[in-house]
Amino acid sequence: DAGVTQSPTHLIKTRGQQVTLRCSPKSGHDTVSWYQQALGQGPQFIFQYYEEEERQRGNFPDRFSGHQFPNYSSELNVNALLLGDSALYLCASSPWATDTQYFGPGTRLTVL
Amino acid sequence: AQSVTQPDIHITVSEGASLELRCNYSYGATPYLFWYVQSPGQGLQLLLKYFSGDTLVQGIKGFEAEFKRSQSSFNLRKPSVHWSDAAEYFCAVGSVGSSNTGKLIFGQGTTLQVKP
Repeated sequence: DAGVTQSPTHLIKTRGQQVTLRCSPKSGHDTVSWYQQALGQGPQFIFQYYEEEERQRGNFPDRFSGHQFPNYSSELNVNALLLGDSALYLCASSPWATDTQYFGPGTRLTVL
Repeated sequence: AQSVTQPDIHITVSEGASLELRCNYSYGATPYLFWYVQSPGQGLQLLLKYFSGDTLVQGIKGFEAEFKRSQSSFNLRKPSVHWSDAAEYFCAVGSVGSSNTGKLIFGQGTTLQVKP
């Protein structure tokens, strides 16, 4: 049983560019949440998707957007990248309205 | 405001010694509490969770945590630390079945170093 998978593992972009990160949830999970973890910090909630809709959103600007597909996989898009967007981006999955989230290994984004 | 505080940024213990990592939370609703561990360059692995019932919960890798409502704390403990326990530990709070379902609030983390 595959856990949560994310791609790519690492990514280097320059300021102003756009990036797309991908996540496949654990088998049987229909809800995907995205977190940003800056160096030396705890993860911060970006948003959550269920039934292809954004259900909750954290305190992130509109440059951060997402999508969920019918197979429950998800994408995180970030436009107009800033240096401060450099971070580890974590995807977590769970069954809807249940307790425990399972995290993927993350995508390390570096913005130069 | 909802928040999680981990007062210790770094902790160093000798292998075989006992360990306690502190976590305090501020949360309006009934909290669901979690401890996760993160090895360098890796994602988060769930160690244990508390929802209700017995306030002492057992987790994987020999870890346990105790929920104390009066102190708004959820401290993580291990009786004897192994070198492989060196990692970063995160306490998190969330809720289920409410409008905030799925949003976890994390502390800043505690880095554990284990001396041989």
